[in-house]
Amino acid sequence: GAGVSQSPRYKVAKRGQDVALRCDPISGHVSLFWYQQALGQGPEFLTYFQNEAQLDKSGLPSDRFFAERPEGSVSTLKIQRTQQEDSAVYLCASSLGADEQYFGPGTRLTVT
Amino acid sequence: AQRVTQPEKLLSVFKGAPVELKCNYSYSGSPELFWYVQYSRQRLQLLLRHISRESIKGFTADLNKGETSFHLKKPFAQEEDSAMYYCALRSGGYQKVTFGTGTKLQVIP
Repeated sequence: GAGVSQSPRYKVAKRGQDVALRCDPISGHVSLFWYQQALGQGPEFLTYFQNEAQLDKSGLPSDRFFAERPEGSVSTLKIQRTQQEDSAVYLCASSLGADEQYFGPGTRLTVT
Repeated sequence: AQRVTQPEKLLSVFKGAPVELKCNYSYSGSPELFWYVQYSRQRLQLLLRHISRESIKGFTADLNKGETSFHLKKPFAQEEDSAMYYCALRSGGYQKVTFGTGTKLQVIP
């Protein structure tokens, strides 16, 4: 079956613009995660959903970052008023409960 | 707070030589440790986890709680092992995963 998909794969935004990044998890996966990966770094946890409930958003770097998963499937990560330090690859992963996390290909965001 | 340290950014070995990718962690409870791998132009994927005690693609890793280490080892490196390797920690039943900064393994033919 299809793995985790993310769109767009690449996004260039001018500083101050809002962006929305989409994640389609593997069908039936209850858990969904967002990570931010800066150049030369490992993925850093942003937030976690169990179905539609956002159980942990401790990794969101500021209130400009917002994530939702209204129907417990597709998730959107929104970044308002983008800044240059937001440039990174944003990874989405899904899992069946506490099982292995399956990662998407990522969205590379460049803020100019 | 939990932390994962991978001291080497790049490790170059010759084909057929042994490989050891180092990983140390700090966490006060009982962690779950993982190794993830990212091959060129591919997505991040799980290589192995300590609780399964498996050998995947010839790689093994033993959790040493005394030294708080989870080093990844392979006796004979292959060219196809060239990739980025990330050590990761999950605390107990909690879902949040903390990754190290990664080590790029380069196997020289």
